[in-house]
Amino acid sequence: GNSVTQMEGPVTLSEEAFLTINCTYTATGYPSLFWYVQYPGEGLQLLLKATKADDKGSNKGFEATYRKETTSFHLEKGSVQVSDSAVYFCAKGGGYQKVTFGTGTKLQVIP
Amino acid sequence: NAGVTQTPKFQVLKTGQSMTLQCAQDMNHEYMSWYRQDPGMGLRLIHYSVGAGITDQGEVPNGYNVSRSTTEDFPLRLLSAAPSQTSVYFCASSYSIYRGAGETQYFGPGTRLLVL
Repeated sequence: GNSVTQMEGPVTLSEEAFLTINCTYTATGYPSLFWYVQYPGEGLQLLLKATKADDKGSNKGFEATYRKETTSFHLEKGSVQVSDSAVYFCAKGGGYQKVTFGTGTKLQVIP
Repeated sequence: NAGVTQTPKFQVLKTGQSMTLQCAQDMNHEYMSWYRQDPGMGLRLIHYSVGAGITDQGEVPNGYNVSRSTTEDFPLRLLSAAPSQTSVYFCASSYSIYRGAGETQYFGPGTRLLVL
C-alpha cells in the first residue's frame, strides 16, 4: 500500500485541552512525514515535519514523532487555543517531491 | 516574495466550457503541482512538473491538461468542464527534486470552481 490514514473529524475541544490527532502510513522504506494546516479560506501551510525515524518535529506548541515501529506520526499539543481551529493534514513524501495526503481532520476549539 | 499565486479565486462554468486556472511562483522552485480538494477525500494530485518543459500525470489527470513553458508558471486547463470537476484547486511548489523527499511544499490560496 501507499497511503496515509488519519482519524476522522471533526474534533471538538475546549480551550486549553490536550490534542491528539492520529496518523499512520504505509510505505516501502522510510518516507519523510509532514503535518500541514489549513486555516479557513486559505491554502495549506507546513506545520512541522520529520525526515527520518525517531525525529520529532515541532512548531507553535505542536509536536509529532516519527515512529517507524508503529508507522505513525501522531500530532499532539498540550493546550489548544481557539486560534488552532483549522483542518490538519498528515502527509508523506515520495519520489520527485510527490506527496500523499491524508483526508484531513477538522479541529474546532471552543472558548 | 508573493509566494504562490492563483487566479481566479472563484469561477462558475457551464458544462462543456473550457478554462485555464493560473498558477505562478516567484521562488525559483523547480517542482510545481496541482491538487484538487474534495470533502472526505483530502488532496489528490492531478499533474506535476519537475522543471520547465517537463510534466507528468498524477492520481487524477483525466479532463485536465498542463504545460510548463517557464519556471514560474504552471497553468491547469480544463478542456470540457463537467460537474464532477467542481472542487477547490490548489497549486503548490517546492524548491528542488534533488534535495530528497523532505522538501516543504508551498501552496497557493486556491481556486474554487463550480461547474453547473
